[in-house]
Amino acid sequence: RKEVEQDPGPFNVPEGATVAFNCTYSNSASQSFFWYRQDCRKEPKLLMSVYSSGNEDGRFTAQLNRASQYISLLIRDSKLSDSATYLCVVSRKNRDDKIIFGKGTRLHILP
Amino acid sequence: DTAVSQTPKYLVTQMGNDKSIKCEQNLGHDTMYWYKQDSKKFLKIMFSYNNKELIINETVPNRFSPKSPDKAHLNLHINSLELGDSAVYFCASSPGGLEQFFGPGTRLTVL
Repeated sequence: RKEVEQDPGPFNVPEGATVAFNCTYSNSASQSFFWYRQDCRKEPKLLMSVYSSGNEDGRFTAQLNRASQYISLLIRDSKLSDSATYLCVVSRKNRDDKIIFGKGTRLHILP
Repeated sequence: DTAVSQTPKYLVTQMGNDKSIKCEQNLGHDTMYWYKQDSKKFLKIMFSYNNKELIINETVPNRFSPKSPDKAHLNLHINSLELGDSAVYFCASSPGGLEQFFGPGTRLTVL
């Protein structure tokens, strides 16, 4: 089983709709979780950290489920500019501080 | 006032050549990284340096040698380039080993 798994998509969603995708991780020792966004031919950029109690940033909501070992990202009222690849990132705070990126979920917002 | 910069942006070279990619960050971060993103868009960590000291060295051929002259710079030298080395190489820095700030990437094509 891969350490971090995401549905690659693409998710084709009409503008204004709500879309959600999950990311599962295999190592229960994982302690830090993030969502990054990567536009085509650009570098990844941090979208938001994921906290145990769940957190919201405008139209974006991130949640963590430690029991089932997954994190989720919900985008409300989607905009054309939300079209991108969303990367799930998991980190273990052990000696080597390994950071693992998922392969990403492609999202296309349709006009 | 670029935060993480890389040079060159594009690199096209023949198999068997040796090439270097340079990275500089002006964020004052202690930790820097090299990532490889292959044609399938999978982003994988290669090396991590903390204050000029090698912390993470993933299973990377020893043709790849990172060098950190100071904590603001992390260069990547690649010997005897192979076709499979073609990818986008991202440099990143981090204040505490978690949130990653990426450079714009170097697109390497080996012919």
